[in-house]
Amino acid sequence: DVKVTQSSRYLVKRTGEKVFLECVQDMDHENMFWYRQDPGLGLRLIYFSYDVKMKEKGDIPEGYSVSREKKERFSLILESASTNQTSMYLCASSPDRAIDTQYFGPGTRLTVL
Amino acid sequence: AQKVTQAQTEISVVEKEDVTLDCVYETRDTTYYLFWYKQPPSGELVFLIRRNSFDEQNEISGRYSWNFQKSTSSFNFTITASQVVDSAVYFCALITYNQGGKLIFGQGTELSVKP
Repeated sequence: DVKVTQSSRYLVKRTGEKVFLECVQDMDHENMFWYRQDPGLGLRLIYFSYDVKMKEKGDIPEGYSVSREKKERFSLILESASTNQTSMYLCASSPDRAIDTQYFGPGTRLTVL
Repeated sequence: AQKVTQAQTEISVVEKEDVTLDCVYETRDTTYYLFWYKQPPSGELVFLIRRNSFDEQNEISGRYSWNFQKSTSSFNFTITASQVVDSAVYFCALITYNQGGKLIFGQGTELSVKP
């Protein structure tokens, strides 16, 4: 079974804080993704990575950065959290090809006060 | 442009009813893949099925079935004899090589199954 885990289910931070969201997959997948999900806006891709130390911008990268130092771990970083980054964050991984099935983690519900 | 439309925002049924969730997609690519995911209240997106553009065979898995019709660009999902545990938001999604692996999601259909 594919297992994607995220470091926290719920997180509350203050405006201006630096926030790290961690994602780990245990299936030796090449590709990893970060999405955010908001009511009325659906799921939007923030960043993705096809290899270690590699990253690509998704549709809404502004205000975010990512890090992939090891194959199994993909971190999303909010350098200075803002209230409009309050959202549900979902991490996903897929095996190899760009069109492979993406498997999602449980999500982190982040609230920025 | 690639697009996925789930016209039904919310559906409410009574347990044991059959229900069909509609999905219409747009793409000019000849090779593409379609997916359905389930998102229960806990929030995790659970993969249900993947279909490639060259395989129009319908698929059945227990109470779930999928009808893929290229002629109408539709990939509909039917739950037979629905149960309360089927209550969730269901997403249809599309991916093509030309999109660089970006999953394009529909807006989702919230299914409520009442006892």
